[in-house]
Amino acid sequence: QKEVEQDPGPLSVPEGAIVSLNCTYSNSAFQYFMWYRQYSRKGPELLMYTYSSGNKEDGRFTAQVDKSSKYISLFIRDSQPSDSATYLCAKKTGGGNKLTFGTGTQLKVEL
Amino acid sequence: EAQVTQNPRYLITVTGKKLTVTCSQNMNHEYMSWYRQDPGLGLRQIYYSMNVEVTDKGDVPEGYKVSRKEKRNFPLILESPSPNQTSLYFCASSLTSSTAGELFFGEGSRLTVL
Repeated sequence: QKEVEQDPGPLSVPEGAIVSLNCTYSNSAFQYFMWYRQYSRKGPELLMYTYSSGNKEDGRFTAQVDKSSKYISLFIRDSQPSDSATYLCAKKTGGGNKLTFGTGTQLKVEL
Repeated sequence: EAQVTQNPRYLITVTGKKLTVTCSQNMNHEYMSWYRQDPGLGLRQIYYSMNVEVTDKGDVPEGYKVSRKEKRNFPLILESPSPNQTSLYFCASSLTSSTAGELFFGEGSRLTVL
């Protein structure tokens, strides 16, 4: 079983929709979770960072961690065409700054 | 501008011809790392460095070498490239090795080995 699993999509939604992106993880050690956004032909950039469980909100973005079900979610409200990108969930899985990434979900927001 | 710079951005080479992908950051970051990104497999860590002269293997180190002689630079060396090393490579850095998750990535280097 992979340490972090993510539905690859692609996911296509109309502008203004609420988007839900999800990952699951298997190892409960190191309760640091992140969402990275990757535009085409670019490197990933950190979008959201959460520690342990609960919600964290930043503008139109909400990151949620459910420790009991080992579920990581990212919600995007009022989605915009500029949100079209690949979203990568990640989890700290070792000492130092070792992260394990999901395979990414490709999102397209259409006008 | 704070950034991680990789070169070359695109490279086509042949099996066995040694190559180096350079990585430089201007943020005085201690921690640097190399990842490769492949369809269906996501980002996988190749090597990382916690500071100058301190490097260690990641999840997929076979066929790669690294060195960290200066804080800002972390080159990735492929001594004898093979077709299975065809991939998109990313260098990343963070302020310290305990800055969990806050990695800054370069723009990527797309390598094709024929």
